[in-house]
Amino acid sequence: DIQMTQSPSSLSASVGDRVTITCRARQRISSDLNWYQQKPGKAPKLLIYAASSLQSGVPSRFSGSGSGTDFTLTISSLQPEDFATYYCQQSYSTPWTFGQGTKVEIK
Amino acid sequence: EVQLVESGGGLVQPGGSLRLACEASGFTFSSYWMSWVRQAPGKGLEWVANIKQDGSEQYYVDSVRGRFTISRDNAKNSLYLQMNSLRAEDAAVYYCVVWDHPKRAFDYWGQGTLVTVSS
Repeated sequence: DIQMTQSPSSLSASVGDRVTITCRARQRISSDLNWYQQKPGKAPKLLIYAASSLQSGVPSRFSGSGSGTDFTLTISSLQPEDFATYYCQQSYSTPWTFGQGTKVEIK
Repeated sequence: EVQLVESGGGLVQPGGSLRLACEASGFTFSSYWMSWVRQAPGKGLEWVANIKQDGSEQYYVDSVRGRFTISRDNAKNSLYLQMNSLRAEDAAVYYCVVWDHPKRAFDYWGQGTLVTVSS
């Protein structure tokens, strides 16, 4: 199984801040990396697929980068509705696996 | 609008069985791979199983293989998960999810159904 590790596990930030979340795969996964946002009590929502492609309807302040083993999700200017938990997920090989999540909290 | 509505969750004793269902609408169900993804209370996400458009291929995470069976009825736009020999560690919210094969991503998610395994 491909282990995915996110850092940090949590962070505190203010509205307007630039936020970066990192995801590392234990082995190379090309660009087969997705990012999801989950708010409390809600289902996850796809933000970024194939490492850097923005899902339709997702604000352009979200962006993704990386390939191989190291990936980044960036929120260019944090908005109140962005406070949530973010997960990365590899789709290189089954079993599809997720990172442990990064909780973005209000500072 | 894509809608995925799960049902069938509840309280079951260890060793018991439960069948989850997911009714899909707003898209051509028979054209998509479908998945179940679960989330234990306060924990992260875990992919459980995938099924091909015509039901001819299924894939499972090791921890449920041999105990869980994913199936679908395209005529009813429905996805199922038969769960047998349930364990405490199977307790979770189970989400019905559209797997977008070209994107290789979990595209649309249902609201989830809670499975509790306890005596």
